Amino acid sequence: DAKTTQPPSMDCAEGRAANLPCNHSTISGNEYVYWYRQIHSQGPQYIIHGLKNNETNEMASLIITEDRKSSTLILPHATLRDTAVYYCIVRVNYGGSQGNLIFGKGTKLSVKP
Amino acid sequence: DGGITQSPKYLFRKEGQNVTLSCEQNLNHDAMYWYRQDPGQGLRLIYYSQIVNDFQKGDIAEGYSVSREKKESFPLTVTSAQKNPTAFYLCASSGRQGNTGELFFGEGSRLTVL
Repeated sequence: DAKTTQPPSMDCAEGRAANLPCNHSTISGNEYVYWYRQIHSQGPQYIIHGLKNNETNEMASLIITEDRKSSTLILPHATLRDTAVYYCIVRVNYGGSQGNLIFGKGTKLSVKP
Repeated sequence: DGGITQSPKYLFRKEGQNVTLSCEQNLNHDAMYWYRQDPGQGLRLIYYSQIVNDFQKGDIAEGYSVSREKKESFPLTVTSAQKNPTAFYLCASSGRQGNTGELFFGEGSRLTVL
């Protein structure tokens, strides 16, 4: 699985958009980009994933560059409850039962009032 | 509600004692996983199971053991051979439904060795 690089920490003002970058320059053509987040002392929570098209759901938007070497997770209106560690992971989607994901240190997002 | 239940949430043990962490899921998922997390670190895979009665070692399996006798259950035993067992332990599952590869996590069990 391709390795990812994320900034260790970021700050964001409440109500503003939070843009979390992720570099994955060695991504293969069949590898997806997954985003999870972990609020302190809880289990990680799935946010969104994509292959090459931009994706949006009720939680966030995922923007993947055309060459797929980087992506950005966008939280459009960050709230204090979005303070968490955000993990960017790339891997092949084996279709469920082989869904082991490798979690690095992620980006600690602090949303400030 | 469907989900993953881990117990206990907090656990203390003395050195030299084995302890078993419970993980139960009612999502009808085939695969289950155990991760360990140390302060300020990412998650490291201990063991995983893709089907009942079968499991594989992850990156840090030494000092741990698991069983998968039922689809719903994947208990983790932290043995006395684990040199530094104090950590936050997370159980997860994934299934074929939806085909997203998404992992569903429990709330974790925090083990402290006294």
